[in-house]
Amino acid sequence: DVKVTQSSRYLVKRTGEKVFLECVQDMDHENMFWYRQDPGLGLRLIYFSYDVKMKEKGDIPEGYSVSREKKERFSLILESASTNQTSMYLCASSPGGTGAVEQYFGPGTRLTVT
Amino acid sequence: AQRVTQPEKLLSVFKGAPVELKCNYSYSGSPELFWYVQYSRQRLQLLLRHISRESIKGFTADLNKGETSFHLKKPFAQEEDSAMYYCALSGRGNEKLTFGTGTRLTIIP
Repeated sequence: DVKVTQSSRYLVKRTGEKVFLECVQDMDHENMFWYRQDPGLGLRLIYFSYDVKMKEKGDIPEGYSVSREKKERFSLILESASTNQTSMYLCASSPGGTGAVEQYFGPGTRLTVT
Repeated sequence: AQRVTQPEKLLSVFKGAPVELKCNYSYSGSPELFWYVQYSRQRLQLLLRHISRESIKGFTADLNKGETSFHLKKPFAQEEDSAMYYCALSGRGNEKLTFGTGTRLTIIP
């Protein structure tokens, strides 16, 4: 059974703080993803990683960076948090290979920036 | 550019009535289409994909390339179907998904 865990369910940070969101998967998946989920906007891809130390920008990478030093862990970094980054953040993973396969999601981190 | 449109943000249906959640897409190549579902207090999970042509929890979806649609249907709604539903698309061979904005389905007892 695939398990994707995220370090926090709820997080409150102040404007300007550096924020780390952590995601760990235990199924040896090559691909990992970070999305933000906002009402009326659906899920939007922030960053995607297809291998250790490899990353690719998604649709809304501005204000974010990522780190993948180990295969099982994918971190999302907000260099200087702003109020418009208040959102639900979802991590997902999927096996590598050709074509889109099922993505497995974590429970989400609800981040509030005040 | 690829795009997924779910025209209904909210949909309410009586228990036992048919359900149809609409999804239209824009993609120039051969798409792969998916429906994901998020029940209350649960994580987002795959419901079905067009390539497997399965029926999951009574739901089916047919890819109509002529109308560029992938509508989700169920003949008789159940209360446990209340959830948030997302349609998603990927290009053939592409491992990234583009999601629609979602439809919140409420089944009225």
